[in-house]
Amino acid sequence: NAGVTQTPKFQVLKTGQSMTLQCAQDMNHNSMYWYRQDPGMGLRLIYYSASEGTTDKGEVPNGYNVSRLNKREFSLRLESAAPSQTSVYFCASRTRRQGKYEGYTFGSGTRLTVV
Amino acid sequence: TQLLEQSPQFLSIQEGENLTVYCNSSSVFSSLQWYRQEPGEGPVLLVTVVTGGEVKKLKRLTFQFGDARKDSSLHITAAQPGDTGLYLCAGAVFGNEKLTFGTGTRLTIIP
Repeated sequence: NAGVTQTPKFQVLKTGQSMTLQCAQDMNHNSMYWYRQDPGMGLRLIYYSASEGTTDKGEVPNGYNVSRLNKREFSLRLESAAPSQTSVYFCASRTRRQGKYEGYTFGSGTRLTVV
Repeated sequence: TQLLEQSPQFLSIQEGENLTVYCNSSSVFSSLQWYRQEPGEGPVLLVTVVTGGEVKKLKRLTFQFGDARKDSSLHITAAQPGDTGLYLCAGAVFGNEKLTFGTGTRLTIIP
């Protein structure tokens, strides 16, 4: 099925450990995004990539790095996990048609707990 | 950073009732989107509105974009249990790659 695939779905880390969240889309979208979702705070943008080869910081980039590996894949890395990074992480992608951005297609999320 | 406020934060009503949820900002948006999110899943796009005063209908759901493009509303007629979920609005400004999300309205429809 076409869409955005995120792995893993669940992860528990100890403080200080590192990990990479993987995201891949098969819709040939140019733009990809990483959001975190916390209770009462909605979705907050961590990093985004407007096109292959470019990445930019979002609202809450501290403690994260990203890599746009190719047009399909956009990974999010936590170098030294902290309890404040406990959250649900969503990857999304979208494209432009006739000069206008379409809506986001989201993955099903990665539920990360840092203990 | 634009601030999108959604109200109410929580809403629980009986099946068959009507309801309206709101999305408000002090910023002007080039477009505004509504998403619905079910537990354990990512948000799913319902509609995009782009013109001030625009009204779009999706079956029993009616979406309106304010004339000044600063606010939007979602009205559900004869709510059903399948309408249960988290409703998120998200706004974009002209030429900006980034989309700002509201904090959401968690809707529960009681059978």
